[in-house]
Amino acid sequence: GAVVSQHPSWVICKSGTSVKIECRSLDFQATTMFWYRQFPKQSLMLMATSNEGSKATYEQGVEKDKFLINHASLTLSTLTVTSAHPEDSSFYICSAQFWDSEAFFGQGTRLTVV
Amino acid sequence: AQSVTQLDSHVSVSEGTPVLLRCNYSSSYSPSLFWYVQHPNKGLQLLLKYTSAATLVKGINGFEAEFKKSETSFHLTKPSAHMSDAAEYFCVVKDKNDYKLSFGAGTTVTVRA
Repeated sequence: GAVVSQHPSWVICKSGTSVKIECRSLDFQATTMFWYRQFPKQSLMLMATSNEGSKATYEQGVEKDKFLINHASLTLSTLTVTSAHPEDSSFYICSAQFWDSEAFFGQGTRLTVV
Repeated sequence: AQSVTQLDSHVSVSEGTPVLLRCNYSSSYSPSLFWYVQHPNKGLQLLLKYTSAATLVKGINGFEAEFKKSETSFHLTKPSAHMSDAAEYFCVVKDKNDYKLSFGAGTTVTVRA
């Protein structure tokens, strides 16, 4: 299957700083990318959907000013957690797909805010 | 609207015995159904998918699932569990006319030696 690379795999940051997570589709053009958040022992919660070249669509309850998403090219989307706080600590996963095809997932990023 | 119910939050089996993970779905349109596996601190790996072709779907690592429209089910099975099958499993549904995926709550599989 296609490969989606997410970087970094884990990051520790100080409270109040910002963290950027990258999601790259390595061997296909991702017209749509999704960002999920996963709490311990829980399922994936969709945060936002991003289409290349347009603004991301955020799910209800997700703060767009805190979780900045940029999908500048067909192979790269970034999620920036701004002014991170301990409650933002979580596992973040991206997925990418070409139009209506199957979604491929990144390996996830463990964010810990101290 | 689409939704998924995984009927078991936790399944424990002995190595070498069959595994059954149950999934029921609701969907307004012709659905695509998927099973993903997630190992700790990892992303999701596709085990198999149903997209309106054969109702019995064979996947990787010896897993298979059967789509039963009359029962709105898509249960995942494996005839003989291996220690490496210990992980979290997600049943996922996608409507034909929707780009979003709906995830089940997940089933944790433990395998006893």
